[in-house]
Amino acid sequence: AQSVTQLGSHVSVSEGALVLLRCNYSSSVPPYLFWYVQYPNQGLQLLLKYTSAATLVKGINGFEAEFKKSETSFHLTKPSAHMSDAAEYFCAVSVGGGKLIFGQGTELSVKP
Amino acid sequence: DTEVTQTPKHLVMGMTNKKSLKCEQHMGHRAMYWYKQKAKKPPELMFVYSYEKLSINESVPSRFSPECPNSSLLNLHLHALQPEDSALYLCASSLQETQYFGPGTRLLVL
Repeated sequence: AQSVTQLGSHVSVSEGALVLLRCNYSSSVPPYLFWYVQYPNQGLQLLLKYTSAATLVKGINGFEAEFKKSETSFHLTKPSAHMSDAAEYFCAVSVGGGKLIFGQGTELSVKP
Repeated sequence: DTEVTQTPKHLVMGMTNKKSLKCEQHMGHRAMYWYKQKAKKPPELMFVYSYEKLSINESVPSRFSPECPNSSLLNLHLHALQPEDSALYLCASSLQETQYFGPGTRLLVL
């Protein structure tokens, strides 16, 4: 069965510091991978997606992620954290038939 | 435009009430979804509609009844809910593999 693992349920960084949120997946076929962000009391917003084109994917709000097949990873990074980045982040893999498998989520806190 | 709208934003209902949640998209997407999300958890898939036909029902209790009147609209009819059904209900639509989510309806069952 396919799965997604997000390392660290909570990550705290200082404003201006590097953001690194980790995601590993298990998939027997080339995956479609996604990062979503959820601000308090809101729905999920698509940050970026990997669909077997470029391995380095740029998203909104300065985020990017790199697909590494050898490591089965799709980690999310941002060079400089902003207070407005504080939110819950979900990594997900598409398994076909309209199904997404989500990781458990990582809550990002940004300290001033 | 990648907007999915949901109404109402908040809903409080008793266990004997009947209510409906509404979802709408005008992006021409032919697949639409209902998810349930508890606090600090990822969304859980409930139903998938593809070309206005129910294609996936993730063993959801019959007190939840989905309906897809047309390609732009998705409803979730609620009846005789339990307090444990209180959650954020998210609607999504998709183009190929990419799902776009609405803002959700926060449901409280008393």
